Amino acid sequence: TQLLEQSPQFLSIQEGENLTVYCNSSSVFSSLQWYRQEPGEGPVLLVTVVTGGEVKKLKRLTFQFGDARKDSSLHITAAQPGDTGLYLCAGRAGGTSYGKLTFGQGTILTVHP
Amino acid sequence: ETGVTQSPTHLIKTRGQQVTLRCSSQSGHNTVSWYQQALGQGPQFIFQYYREEENGRGNFPPRFSGLQFPNYSSELNVNALELDDSALYLCASSQRRADTQYFGPGTRLTVL
Repeated sequence: TQLLEQSPQFLSIQEGENLTVYCNSSSVFSSLQWYRQEPGEGPVLLVTVVTGGEVKKLKRLTFQFGDARKDSSLHITAAQPGDTGLYLCAGRAGGTSYGKLTFGQGTILTVHP
Repeated sequence: ETGVTQSPTHLIKTRGQQVTLRCSSQSGHNTVSWYQQALGQGPQFIFQYYREEENGRGNFPPRFSGLQFPNYSSELNVNALELDDSALYLCASSQRRADTQYFGPGTRLTVL
């Protein structure tokens, strides 16, 4: 069974601060995704990384996939109150496991004005 | 292009009852995956349907079953409800063998 350990579980910061969320596993994933989920809504895909060492940027968000494809990080620069939400990492095993994701337990981010 | 929709939004049942949740996939998507998200946790994969057949299953007992219809919409059925079945049930649709899937807003099930 593949597991994804996400940390920290909770993060409460002031507007303008930087933060990093980590997603770690002992298993190799073919791809890893990051989602953001608002209360009462389903997760919304932010990014997919597929290559070991890959770095993707989405405005103030930077996503990295570990060289061995076992871990990933999400870094937010100059956080804003609008970044508040639940952030989830999700990995896909190899083969034909499309759409059969293993999720981390999530990080609840609160950005205070 | 319509997104993924789910019904009902909320549902309250008692232990031992049966429930059916529904999901309409996004236009052009032929694959539907179902997830269970307990409060404060990440979603857990229940099963996936493609071309009206189950195409992979997570660690859930047989009382969790599903259907997919010719229009690619899907149902999740849960028999003999238990208190621990209380959760947000999410469906996600995608094209076959695509990494990108789109989630619906979920159905909040409460079992009393």
